[in-house]
Amino acid sequence: DSGVTQTPKHLITATGQRVTLRCSPRSGDLSVYWYQQSLDQGLQFLIQYYNGEERAKGNILERFSAQQFPDLHSELNLSSLELGDSALYFCASSVSGQSTDTQYFGPGTRLTVL
Amino acid sequence: GIQVEQSPPDLILQEGANSTLRCNFSDSVNNLQWFHQNPWGQLINLFYIPSGTKQNGRLSATTVATERYSLLYISSSQTTDSGVYFCAGRNTGGFKTIFGAGTRLFVKA
Repeated sequence: DSGVTQTPKHLITATGQRVTLRCSPRSGDLSVYWYQQSLDQGLQFLIQYYNGEERAKGNILERFSAQQFPDLHSELNLSSLELGDSALYFCASSVSGQSTDTQYFGPGTRLTVL
Repeated sequence: GIQVEQSPPDLILQEGANSTLRCNFSDSVNNLQWFHQNPWGQLINLFYIPSGTKQNGRLSATTVATERYSLLYISSSQTTDSGVYFCAGRNTGGFKTIFGAGTRLFVKA
C-alpha cells in the first residue's frame, strides 16, 4: 500500500457526461500528479500540483481540469466525455514535487465511457 | 522532452529463470524509477535509481547515467513477477515524468 488513495475504483458513464476523480496524497506529501493510462497512448503525464498551485502541465485536454485543495487532496474533472477517454487514471504524490522526488502511485480509477 | 525506450517489449520466462530488462533514455535524467504493474493494474515502486546500483531481494537495478541507460535484473523469477515493468524519468530541471512503453513479462509455472 503506497498511502495514496483514489476514489472511486471504477466508474462507468456515458458519452457527453462529466465525472470527478478524487485523490488523497500520502501523509506529508505536498505534490500531486495525475496520469492517464490508455491502451493506445500508454502512461501519460497530465498535470502536477504543488501545495495548491499548478506546477506543470502535460498532455491534458481542455475538457479536463484539476485542482488541489487546501487539505492537499486533489480532484480531476473530466467533461464532455468521449469513448476515447476510457482509461485508467492514476494519481501519484511526492514530498516536494522536485524532479528528484520519488513518486508514489495510488491504485487508480478505471473509467469506462459507453 | 526526453524519450524513454524499453526492451524487450515482451518476455516469457520459465519459473526460476533470470532476466534483464533495459531502459534507454535520450537525454540526461535526474529521476529514474522502475515500476511493476501487476495484473490488477496497480503500479508498485521498485526502485528510485538515478545512478548506481540497488538491490531488493531478487530484484536489482543499475543505472549508468553517463551512458543514459538503466537495467533491471530479476533473478529466480516467480509467477508473481508477471506483469508489466515500466521505467520512467524526468530530465534535469523538468517536471514531466516520461514513461517507457513497458516490458510485459509472463512467468510460466
